[in-house]
This record gives sequence, C-alpha cells and structure tokens, in this order.
Amino acid sequence: EVQLVESGGGLVQPGGSLRLSCAASGFTFSSYWMNWVRQAPGKGLEWVANINQDGSRKYYVDSVKGRFTISRDNAKDSLYLQMNSLRAEDTAVYYCARPPAYCSGANCIDSFDIWGQGTLVTVSS
Amino acid sequence: QSALTQPASVSGSPGQSITISCTGSSSDVGTYNLVSWYQQHPGKAPKFMIYEGSRRPSAVSDRFSVSKSGNTASLTISGLQAEDEADYYCCSYAGNAIYVFGTGTKVTVL
Repeated sequence: EVQLVESGGGLVQPGGSLRLSCAASGFTFSSYWMNWVRQAPGKGLEWVANINQDGSRKYYVDSVKGRFTISRDNAKDSLYLQMNSLRAEDTAVYYCARPPAYCSGANCIDSFDIWGQGTLVTVSS
Repeated sequence: QSALTQPASVSGSPGQSITISCTGSSSDVGTYNLVSWYQQHPGKAPKFMIYEGSRRPSAVSDRFSVSKSGNTASLTISGLQAEDEADYYCCSYAGNAIYVFGTGTKVTVL
C-alpha cells in the first residue's frame, strides 16, 4: 500500500525550530519529486516547498524562504522539513504529498495524488 | 504567488449539477494546462479528485468533470450526492516548480 506518514509536529515558541519528517512506503520514494503543503486552522491549503528526486533542486513559497529547508534521505525513504524562526502564522497542519505514478523518474509533479495524514505545528508562547 | 480565487460556498440539491470556478491569472491558470482539484472532508487529508484533461483516479466518480477558459478553471459535479458535501480546492502550476492553491469552496448539499 502506498503510504505517507508525517511526524514531528508539536508546540513551539515563536522564534523556535522544529523538524518534520515524512516516511514513505509502498513505492520507490527516490523516483519522485516530493512536496510539503500546509493548512492553517480553518483556512485553505498552501503549497510550501518541493524537492526533486536527488535533492539538487528545491523550491519554496515566498513566505518561508530563508527560514524553512526541505530535504530528503532516499536511503531512508524519508522527506524532511526543517523549520526555523517560526512565527505564529506558521501554525498549521503540514502534509507531505506525492505526484502521480506516471511522474516516477521524470521532471514532473502535475498534481498531488498521494497525501499523508498531516502533522500539526502550533507556534505559540 | 497569490491564491487562486474560488467562491466561498456553492450549494445544490441532490441530483442537481453545480460548478465551482477557480480564477487565476496569465501567470498560472491562463498559461499552464496543469490545474488539479482536491476534495477535503472535515478533519481529513485532502484527496486528489481530477486533473485538467479529466484525468482522475479510478475510484473517483465520472460525475466530476473539469473545464477551462482563459484564466478560469471550473469543476462541475453532476448528479450531486450527499457524500459530495465537502471543501474543494483547485491548484495550478505557476512556473519554476511553484504551485498555488485556490481559496477553497464549501459545497453544501441541501
């Protein structure tokens, strides 16, 4: 079964740091671009960052540039999001998401076909 | 990287058809044929529903269809059912590996 499982969320003070993880199973993780998408409480979805198959290309939404770092460990089938200088507005459920199967091995995202269950990050004093 | 504009809410009676619009710009929806749609029930993760060109998972009903004109994409749900009551989000590629979601639409089945 194709599965993504996020972890690492929790309560952190403004200015603090947190590292999220996303464990992949049931597919060849190293063949896909991977993404982080977040959703603030009661708000809409926001794409946060993505990374290509070998980790050489990374892209971010403007609001997190310079504070968040996406990375991956293909040997561990895991995706990460290092979040520094956290702000109240970063409070959200963070999801990892995978492109469709036909994007395997290609420079392709197209859509977010597979999602994890999400992990909640709360930034508050 | 401004969010795409969707109506806050759309409603319909069972069996009716409804359409959700998703308006972007020439930097995203208008330039790229890469608009996808997601359904989200309360407390659940989003679920991929359909993609421009009508690609959809086999488990998603063919009652869901998409179209696009200029900078506006649309999702139509035909034969509305109680289970369709949820939030719906569009998403478009915006160049340079960047993606932008819509503001979201709450669908109510009357």
